[in-house]
Amino acid sequence: EVQLVESGGGLVQPGRSLRLSCTASGFTFGDYAMSWVRQAPGKGLEWVGFIRSKAYGGTTEYAASVKGRFTISRDDSKSIAYLQMNSLKTEDTAVYYCTRTIAAAGIFNFDYWGQGTLVTVSS
Amino acid sequence: SYVLTQPPSVSVAPGKTARITCGGNNIGSKSVHWYQQKPGQAPVLVIYYDSDRPSGIPERFSGSNSGNTATLTISRVEAGDEADYYCQVWDSSSDPHVVFGGGTKLTVL
Repeated sequence: EVQLVESGGGLVQPGRSLRLSCTASGFTFGDYAMSWVRQAPGKGLEWVGFIRSKAYGGTTEYAASVKGRFTISRDDSKSIAYLQMNSLKTEDTAVYYCTRTIAAAGIFNFDYWGQGTLVTVSS
Repeated sequence: SYVLTQPPSVSVAPGKTARITCGGNNIGSKSVHWYQQKPGQAPVLVIYYDSDRPSGIPERFSGSNSGNTATLTISRVEAGDEADYYCQVWDSSSDPHVVFGGGTKLTVL
């Protein structure tokens, strides 16, 4: 059974940093791209970014709203994906979901999601 | 950036058919994916590649995509189908590359 478990959320002041982790099980983690998607309270879904599998270079892409502030990385030996969030703003307040990502030849979707972790940016 | 437009809400009686649309410029040339999100829960993929269903998703859920509109159809609607539904595409020429529709709240009357 595929499982994704996020951790690391919490209350943080504007301008500070936070690192989220996503621990995966039930599949060969290194074979898949991984993404982060967020949802502000009462709002819709917003893609944050993703990291390709090592077979596709392990490169990353980000939404413009977080580019330069957020960094996604992965440790395939531990089956963990990370989201490093720096220079946090109040508008980054959201539930952050880790997702297993199907990314191939213009096809891109999220077939499994974690339960989410809440990040609140407030002074 | 590429924009996906969904109606904010759709209402349907139990046993009837619900249709949720997702509009976008020439969306028929893209692969559309649909997610169901119930209150307090993570989204679940219910349709991928326009019309395919993941294992475990009832056959009552189907999808189509042509021209400027993709449609999620839920037949024989049940109370348990009440949820928010989001469409999603990948557009490599857009920023962001991954685009979600604004979501549609399905209410079962």
